Order: sequence, then C-alpha cells, then structure tokens
Amino acid sequence: AQKITQTQPGMFVQEKEAVTLDCTYDTSDQSYGLFWYKQPSSGEMIFLIYQGSYDEQNATEGRYSLNFQKARKSANLVISASQLGDSAMYFCAMREGGGADGLTFGKGTHLIIQP
Amino acid sequence: DAGVTQSPTHLIKTRGQQVTLRCSPKSGHDTVSWYQQALGQGPQFIFQYYEEEERQRGNFPDRFSGHQFPNYSSELNVNALLLGDSALYLCASSSGTGGPYNEQFFGPGTRLTVL
Repeated sequence: AQKITQTQPGMFVQEKEAVTLDCTYDTSDQSYGLFWYKQPSSGEMIFLIYQGSYDEQNATEGRYSLNFQKARKSANLVISASQLGDSAMYFCAMREGGGADGLTFGKGTHLIIQP
Repeated sequence: DAGVTQSPTHLIKTRGQQVTLRCSPKSGHDTVSWYQQALGQGPQFIFQYYEEEERQRGNFPDRFSGHQFPNYSSELNVNALLLGDSALYLCASSSGTGGPYNEQFFGPGTRLTVL
C-alpha cells in the first residue's frame, strides 16, 4: 500500500486564485511529520511547510497553509493568491517515527498557473 | 552560507559501469540522505549516513553503496549500472539530533543517464 497518495497528477489554476493540493497518508505510528516540497524544473527540492502529528494547529508559512485532518489522514497544501512562479511539481512527504529518518514521498502534482 | 552541493551535475554511463556521486552538506549539518528520483516519480529514499555509518536504508539492492567522510561529505556508489538506474539523484542534509521535524535541505541533484 502506498504511504503517501497524491491523487492529482496535474492542475491548471488561474493566477491569483487559491489552490488546494491533496495528500493522504498511511501510517500506524503516533509520532510522524508531514512535509510539502516544491520542485521547479531545475530539479532542486524546496521545503515549503511542515506539520507534526502532535501539532494541534494547522501550519502556515506565508501564502502556504497545511489543512491537517488527522482522523482522515489528510494533509492538503493550500496556496493562497497563486502566482506564475508557483508553477512547479509539488510533493507531499512523510517521516515516520520520532527519529531523523528518510522521507517517503508521493508521486507529486504538477501545478500550472495560467495568467 | 553554502547550501547542499552535488557533483557532477550530469553524467552519462553505459550499462555495467560503476559511478560515484558526491555531496557536501549544508554548513552545520552532519547527516546526509540520498534519494533516487525517476522521471515522473517522487524521490525514493536510498539510505542515510550519520557519524560515518549507514543509519537507515530504503529498498535498494546492494549495488547501491555509500560512504560518509569525517567532514560529513558523502559519496553514493552504484555498481553494475542498469538502464533503470537512470534518474535524478538527490542528496539532502540535516542535523542528526533532530526529531520528526528534521528539515532536510536538498541539493540540485545529479542527473545520471545510463545507455
């Protein structure tokens, strides 16, 4: 079974609109972390936002927020007021356990912002 | 403050050959993780090095091996290359003392093509 599922292979969004990228995860651990990364065509993975499993409030970082629904095992990324520079691949990832382990990534969503 | 650096940027090899990829972590980081990202896929965790030892390993064959040096830099070695090893290889550095929130900073990657 996949540990991270991103069901939107591609999305087209008009500039200045808000966009939600879906992510569901599967783990039996109580302690885990959820991450979102942006990958432009250059290839480098850029960290956007983090949500810990024990965090009670949804994480926010500037225009990025994470809609964390623990019972549903959902961690959707919301980008407000999208910009042309937001066009990229977006990956949801998880770290299980309490240690500094490797990340498990989803297959990604290709987001294209249209003017 | 230099971020994570990787060399070379691109590499072309033929089947059966061996390859070595290099990574220098971000200043202050002591842990290096390696990921393989096939075209159109999310990164897959290969292994992680901490204190010059392999601390965790993903589902990759023994053809994939690594090393970490006293200055925390790392090498990824792949023996007996297969066509399926063609991918973007990403290195990420972090602090080994982190918990679930242990942000990994990624390098620009090495694009390996196996002919």
